[in-house]
Amino acid sequence: DTVMTQSPALAVSPGERITISCRASESVSTLMHWYQQKPGQQPKLLIYLASHLESGVPARFSGSGSGTDFTLTIDPVEADDTATYYCQQNWNDPLTFGSGTKLEIK
Amino acid sequence: EVQLVESGGGLVQPGRSLKLSCAASGFTFSNYDMAWVRQAPTKGLEWVASISTGGGNTYYRDSVKGRFTISRDNAKSTLYLQMDSLRSEDTATYYCARHPPGLNWFAYWGQGTLVTVSS
Repeated sequence: DTVMTQSPALAVSPGERITISCRASESVSTLMHWYQQKPGQQPKLLIYLASHLESGVPARFSGSGSGTDFTLTIDPVEADDTATYYCQQNWNDPLTFGSGTKLEIK
Repeated sequence: EVQLVESGGGLVQPGRSLKLSCAASGFTFSNYDMAWVRQAPTKGLEWVASISTGGGNTYYRDSVKGRFTISRDNAKSTLYLQMDSLRSEDTATYYCARHPPGLNWFAYWGQGTLVTVSS
């Protein structure tokens, strides 16, 4: 299975620009997607195909990358962005998720 | 408004069975591939199974093949997951999710239903 590695946690102040990384164990082309999961809620799609913003998602969120290295950027971060962020690939079967990056807003 | 509402979770003993349901509304259910994704307590997300629009094609992760069956009733706009021979490692919140047409990510998710496998 394709393993995606994410840094486990990040603590930042409102107004900062942050990047969350996701590294795949093998190339996934641009078939990488990003989700936000707030405590006690279901996941929400933010970015699909590495860089496409899902409808209704604020333009503060953006994605980039291809191959094995991907980045989710939030600029500027707001207090409401407190959540765990997951990447997901579907280039290789089975589709797999990263372990998540927990974002805390100080 | 797209809505996915799961039901059927609960406490079940190892080796027993449970059937989850997901009632869909707000869209033409028969036009979309659907999936189940689970999340063990305090853990990350794990894809479980997917099914094509007509139900003729099904896909499973290896750890549930032969034990879980995904199905759908398009007339009732309902997705199912029959879980047999349950193990403690199947304990998780199970989410129903909708694929974009012909694509393999998840644009909409239900609130989830908790399955606990324990004696």
